[in-house]
Amino acid sequence: ETGVTQTPRHLVMGMTNKKSLKCEQHLGHNAMYWYKQSAKKPLELMFVYSLEERVENNSVPSRFSPECPNSSHLFLHLHTLQPEDSALYLCASSQEVMSGANVLTFGAGSRLTVL
Amino acid sequence: LAKTTQPISMDSYEGQEVNITCSHNNIATNDYITWYQQFPSQGPRFIIQGYKTKVTNEVASLFIPADRKSSTLSLPRVSLSDTAVYYCLVGDPGEAAGNKLTFGGGTRVLVKP
Repeated sequence: ETGVTQTPRHLVMGMTNKKSLKCEQHLGHNAMYWYKQSAKKPLELMFVYSLEERVENNSVPSRFSPECPNSSHLFLHLHTLQPEDSALYLCASSQEVMSGANVLTFGAGSRLTVL
Repeated sequence: LAKTTQPISMDSYEGQEVNITCSHNNIATNDYITWYQQFPSQGPRFIIQGYKTKVTNEVASLFIPADRKSSTLSLPRVSLSDTAVYYCLVGDPGEAAGNKLTFGGGTRVLVKP
């Protein structure tokens, strides 16, 4: 188990459901990230938080709603998703943000399937 | 965020050395070069990071020429378990600058027996 824990590992939901993905880091890092990885596609950066404040939002659809209550926890709230949103959602953390030497520690991911 | 270019895939055999070159012509002065390894359905894992010349750890070596416009990850004596996708990243992974694809396509390495 890495220092970044994601739950649930697998999630199946209908298009009208509301669910949440949870991420917790035990590394004392100050920045947390959500990435999306669709099948056979590169990782896409969705959100970046630094000290609980959002610093980057890559024009992600509003059906994805992040929440960062403290520097150790990050949530991704999901509602009215589409089948094309099915993907592996990865959480990561780093010591800081906006650094050219930044190193990310990733969680194992949450595999989401939207029916 | 500097754009990177890597080969899409590489095949190798057990016990051989694998070298993956990444091009990053627009690297900024304060950017470091970081390599990650990803197995299927898992998050990427940090391998090595460097700024210039050569860096070596217990897993790999990273060679960076003086102009820093490219870098080469070297995996010595690979085994079947080294089959994975390897990503070269330059600068801050949180700096999307409008480009979502901060990690690029990576290089898929297949190690054969």
